[in-house]
Amino acid sequence: NAGVTQTPKFQVLKTGQSMTLQCAQDMNHEYMSWYRQDPGMGLRLIHYSVGAGITDQGEVPNGYNVSRSTTEDFPLRLLSAAPSQTSVYFCASSRGGVYGYTFGSGTRLTVV
Amino acid sequence: AQTVTQSQPEMSVQEAETVTLSCTYDTSENNYYLFWYKQPPSRQMILVIRQEAYKQQNATENRFSVNFQKAAKSFSLKISDSQLGDTAMYFCALTGNQFYFGTGTSLTVIP
Repeated sequence: NAGVTQTPKFQVLKTGQSMTLQCAQDMNHEYMSWYRQDPGMGLRLIHYSVGAGITDQGEVPNGYNVSRSTTEDFPLRLLSAAPSQTSVYFCASSRGGVYGYTFGSGTRLTVV
Repeated sequence: AQTVTQSQPEMSVQEAETVTLSCTYDTSENNYYLFWYKQPPSRQMILVIRQEAYKQQNATENRFSVNFQKAAKSFSLKISDSQLGDTAMYFCALTGNQFYFGTGTSLTVIP
């Protein structure tokens, strides 16, 4: 099993550019989420999904879009990158409850 | 609202000794789960231990154990016989409708 696969691992963007962070899982998990990790702030939820076709906003959704057309994939789109979006991004999936989340290896994004 | 608080940003421990990381939380839900995750310098998030809120018995995984005090909403992690490989950021997490994380405790194991 590959688990949760995130691409790319590193990315540098210029202010105003757009891009998509890819996330795929092969565990047939219903729950998927995107987090950003910033020093001293822990992991903050950006968007989440409880199943294909269903998404919702988390704590810090502004500037990001998501879609969930299949159970496996949950891409995160940055519409117009800003320096404040410089962060490490994690995708995670779960079958819920006591099982917790399985995380991808993260994407370090720098916006200049 | 659900919140998770880790009040110790940094801690250190001598190799082979025991250390306890603190976590408090707040939730209005009756059914929830608590977790500790480890994030070594590799950045990968690794599940260390989990606790079902309806279980009174504290969870244990080898050298890792928790002290779950439901009434006090406290969920501390004890690491026994600390090893150099335990050096990492540790996150406490709470799940109900969503998954909530604390701000983390950076643990350094000193040789």
